[in-house]
Amino acid sequence: TQLLEQSPQFLSIQEGENLTVYCNSSSVFSSLQWYRQEPGEGPVLLVTVVTGGEVKKLKRLTFQFGDARKDSSLHITAAQPGDTGLYLCAGARSSGDKLTFGTGTRLAVRP
Amino acid sequence: GAGVSQSPRYKVAKRGQDVALRCDPISGHVSLFWYQQALGQGPEFLTYFQNEAQLDKSGLPSDRFFAERPEGSVSTLKIQRTQQEDSAVYLCASSLSGSVQPQHFGDGTRLSIL
Repeated sequence: TQLLEQSPQFLSIQEGENLTVYCNSSSVFSSLQWYRQEPGEGPVLLVTVVTGGEVKKLKRLTFQFGDARKDSSLHITAAQPGDTGLYLCAGARSSGDKLTFGTGTRLAVRP
Repeated sequence: GAGVSQSPRYKVAKRGQDVALRCDPISGHVSLFWYQQALGQGPEFLTYFQNEAQLDKSGLPSDRFFAERPEGSVSTLKIQRTQQEDSAVYLCASSLSGSVQPQHFGDGTRLSIL
């Protein structure tokens, strides 16, 4: 049972478009991480957010942690084919808790 | 190499056989995690070690799954009497300490049970 639901499940867009991926839960998380995974490889950490309402920017990627620390979003501006991959959110309910991964969003950016 | 290393990369076994999957974490990383990832899904937690101590094994699907990290470094995930539903990618990750610290993942072992 996965506590973190991501939407959309699949997204296919043209290069240059913007997109937002959502990660929602009914549980409160002390921290939330976003990963990107390419075929045949392990997930790679993009960002960690720990404060409700926190916004972090990583070049064209903007991450937001909800005020209540139950949800998060990832916004990509001017998507590029290199952004293609499986995007995963993952949360820990306390500092000693295991990491729970979301259901994943598979993004394809067409040239 | 400096990253997490998993072996073998691919494993094919017949139903009923035992398999052993190996994980070499990043040197100095105290915490080690095992996950199971079905095709197109997010990883699901299996078990967690802090040094040689297995602190959480709540995600292991059955008593056919067993993990060890006897010297606090290399870890082995063993699956006995494999079944077709065990087919998945098994990912290992390590961190300096705990799950909140960034986890560094290996590229996984793709297990196929025929």
